[in-house]
Amino acid sequence: EEQLVESGGGLVKPGVSLRLSCVASGFTFSNYDMNWVRQAPGKGLEWVSSISSTASSYIYYADSVKGRFTISRDNAKNSLYLQMDSLRAEDTAVYYCVGSRGAFSYWGQGTLVTVSS
Amino acid sequence: EIVLTQSPGTLSLSPGERATLSCRASQSVSNIYLAWYQQKPGQAPRLLIYDASNRATGIPDRFSGSGSGTDFTLTIDSLEPEDFAVYYCQQYGYSPRTFGQGTKVEIK
Repeated sequence: EEQLVESGGGLVKPGVSLRLSCVASGFTFSNYDMNWVRQAPGKGLEWVSSISSTASSYIYYADSVKGRFTISRDNAKNSLYLQMDSLRAEDTAVYYCVGSRGAFSYWGQGTLVTVSS
Repeated sequence: EIVLTQSPGTLSLSPGERATLSCRASQSVSNIYLAWYQQKPGQAPRLLIYDASNRATGIPDRFSGSGSGTDFTLTIDSLEPEDFAVYYCQQYGYSPRTFGQGTKVEIK
């Protein structure tokens, strides 16, 4: 069974950094593009960032996080990361790790990031 | 950026009825790279439809997708109790990979 497990969320103050991790199992991680999608409390889905299967084809960011967030992956460890710097209150959300080959096929259960003073 | 507008915002229906959800794009979606997702409270979204009209693995055939260009539709024939949820469309042909704002299908 395909599984994605996120970790690294928590309560942090504005301006600090946080690193999210996601470990994949049950599918060939290196064959999939990977993504981060977030959902603020009571709101809809917001795409955050995408990285191609080998990380060499593309890396994309939403304008709202460009210059502050960095996506990366380690195919040897079946892992995806999101380095989040200069966090703001508006970054408060559940962050989902998502595997895709086109459409977003595999979703983790999410990790909550709360940015508050 | 492609903006996706879903309508209606809320659909109030009874079990057994048909649900028709709309997703309109601000510009043509590349190669019908349009997906639909279902999300229930407290759960992660689940892929229902990809490439506008293809059901994902394990999705019942009461779910169907159609459309091209800028207008897309998700149809749920004969709503089951477990179908009451929020539905999102998404385009994945261009970056940013935008989502619609969602349609809530609620029990009437």
